[in-house]
Amino acid sequence: DAKTTQPNSMESNEEEPVHLPCNHSTISGTDYIHWYRQLPSQGPEYVIHGLTSNVNNRMASLAIAEDRKSSTLILHRATLRDAAVYYCTTATGNQFYFGTGTSLTVIP
Amino acid sequence: KAGVTQTPRYLIKTRGQQVTLSCSPISGHRSVSWYQQTPGQGLQFLFEYFSETQRNKGNFPGRFSGRQFSNSRSEMNVSTLELGDSALYLCASSADGPGNTIYFGEGSWLTVV
Repeated sequence: DAKTTQPNSMESNEEEPVHLPCNHSTISGTDYIHWYRQLPSQGPEYVIHGLTSNVNNRMASLAIAEDRKSSTLILHRATLRDAAVYYCTTATGNQFYFGTGTSLTVIP
Repeated sequence: KAGVTQTPRYLIKTRGQQVTLSCSPISGHRSVSWYQQTPGQGLQFLFEYFSETQRNKGNFPGRFSGRQFSNSRSEMNVSTLELGDSALYLCASSADGPGNTIYFGEGSWLTVV
């Protein structure tokens, strides 16, 4: 099972960029890297995913290391609504392996 | 289109009882997976169903079981409930194929007393 390791918590000032790191050193060549976030009392929400190349969407950017053993989720301008627990996961088919996530606090 | 729907949202059961949770996936999604979320253990994979067959299974005891119906709706059952089964149970659905995203429901909060 590919495991992920993330810092337990991070803080960011509002409107500043945030870089959330994740290590997945046992990832296999065909496993995708997904990021989800979870607000209190809600199910996790999809943020972004990729395989090898860096990815951008309206919510965030995903930077994947060349050896794929780590990745970074980039929120370009943190807002108060971005305060959540962020999960980095690897997926073999439809079986996702979640770590304990990073709790992001956004300071106004 | 409608998202993943889970029922019931909240329930309280007594130790030793059994419970059944229901999940309706996003229309067109044939893969349904279940996760248990607890404060100490985070999100843990229970099992995944595709076309009425269990395709993957996590490391949970046999008290945890599930099934999927021909319309892709799924149920999970926990028998002989223990206090440690108190958790948020999340269902997620997905189209099949590599790199597909899974979409979660709001979850069912189970409290065992």
